[in-house]
Amino acid sequence: LAKTTQPISMDSYEGQEVNITCSHNNIATNDYITWYQQFPSQGPRFIIQGYKTKVTNEVASLFIPADRKSSTLSLPRVSLSDTAVYYCLVGDMGNAGNMLTFGGGTRLMVKP
Amino acid sequence: KAGVTQTPRYLIKTRGQQVTLSCSPISGHRSVSWYQQTPGQGLQFLFEYFSETQRNKGNFPGRFSGRQFSNSRSEMNVSTLELGDSALYLCASSLAVQPTGELFFGEGSRLTVL
Repeated sequence: LAKTTQPISMDSYEGQEVNITCSHNNIATNDYITWYQQFPSQGPRFIIQGYKTKVTNEVASLFIPADRKSSTLSLPRVSLSDTAVYYCLVGDMGNAGNMLTFGGGTRLMVKP
Repeated sequence: KAGVTQTPRYLIKTRGQQVTLSCSPISGHRSVSWYQQTPGQGLQFLFEYFSETQRNKGNFPGRFSGRQFSNSRSEMNVSTLELGDSALYLCASSLAVQPTGELFFGEGSRLTVL
C-alpha cells in the first residue's frame, strides 16, 4: 500500500505559483498519482492525474520524475479561491481490492 | 449527469444509537467507497464495494458496516454510536475498471453524536 507524505501547510500570495510536493517511495508499477482539492464541508474534487513525466490541464500541472518516488503539483497564479486542502493519492483505480489511501493533505492558504 | 448524492446531509444521534447513511453513485459507476473525515484523523478509508461485493475494508471496528445494492446504491451503518464517531462521512463513486480515473465525491453526511 503506497503511503504518501506531504507538507502539512503552505502559505502563498495571490498571483504566485505554488508547488506542492508529495513523497511516495513505495509506489507500485501499476499505481497512478492523483491530486484532489477539498474545501471545508465538501467532498474532495479531482484536480489532475498522471503516471510519469508531466501532465498539464486547465488548472494545474503535475511533474513526476523518472523514479516516480515523488510528484509535484503546480498551481499557476493562485487566487484566494485556491485556499483549500490538497491531497496526493497513489493507487491503481482499477485493481480489485485496492484500498486507496489519502495522506494528511496540505493546507494551502492564499493571502491577498 | 447527476453527481453523487448522499443522504441525509446532517444528523444528530445519541450514544448507543445506530445510524444508516445512503449514497447514490453517478449513473454507470459500479464502485462505491466510503470515507470518514475528522479534524484529528483526516480522511480515512472505510470500505469499498464493487458490484455488490465488498472488495476492501479499512481499519475500523465491526460496528461499521456497509452494503451495495444491485443498482449500485450503497448504505453504511454504524451501530452502538460513540462520541468519536462524530464526523463527516463521504461517499465516492468511480468506474474503477481501468488504472486511471477519478473518484467523484458526494457532499457528505455530517454526523454528530451527543
